[in-house]
Amino acid sequence: DTEVTQTPKHLVMGMTNKKSLKCEQHMGHRAMYWYKQKAKKPPELMFVYSYEKLSINESVPSRFSPECPNSSLLNLHLHALQPEDSALYLCASSQGLSNEQYFGPGTRLTVT
Amino acid sequence: AQSVTQLGSHVSVSEGALVLLRCNYSSSVPPYLFWYVQYPNQGLQLLLKYTSAATLVKGINGFEAEFKKSETSFHLTKPSAHMSDAAEYFCAVSFPGSSGDKLTFGTGTRLAVRP
Repeated sequence: DTEVTQTPKHLVMGMTNKKSLKCEQHMGHRAMYWYKQKAKKPPELMFVYSYEKLSINESVPSRFSPECPNSSLLNLHLHALQPEDSALYLCASSQGLSNEQYFGPGTRLTVT
Repeated sequence: AQSVTQLGSHVSVSEGALVLLRCNYSSSVPPYLFWYVQYPNQGLQLLLKYTSAATLVKGINGFEAEFKKSETSFHLTKPSAHMSDAAEYFCAVSFPGSSGDKLTFGTGTRLAVRP
């Protein structure tokens, strides 16, 4: 099973709201990722967790706050977002040196 | 610098024709190479990967790719296009022993299939 699940599928939030995106994998993968993808662009890496510890933060603004409660779960907490943060947010996981990543279906976020 | 380049942001083929999507990489060490497909409003699906075993790699949905070190290429092919192949395709690369767990993506190629 190579499934990564993400909830919700769609999210509309105002600039003063606080919301969270959730990602789950049950493949025993050691690494989990958050990406942001704008239309007609490749995914942009935001954060990487390895063995439940934050290993890479690609200089993401503090209004995005990742959390890894356990080896299967990854959250992305959102607060005071801007309209330009509207995008598809993708979660992925991987295991092993070749680093093939398995992606979830994404959360389509709209900030109004 | 290590990078990946996809030539052609848009490719259009007729149904039943050969599909060829180009990917070149730049690296001082042998890379791991991947092709992903993305359908509208969906996540990325792994089509195939090269990890230094066989240079001709077969993937899902009839796609295959050949790693050519002399040309630093990893082009994706399919002998006969189907309407359901219309999607965005991303070539990606990771480099063993560097950059931690990062994948570097190409800019993508949108494949259109004409009836």
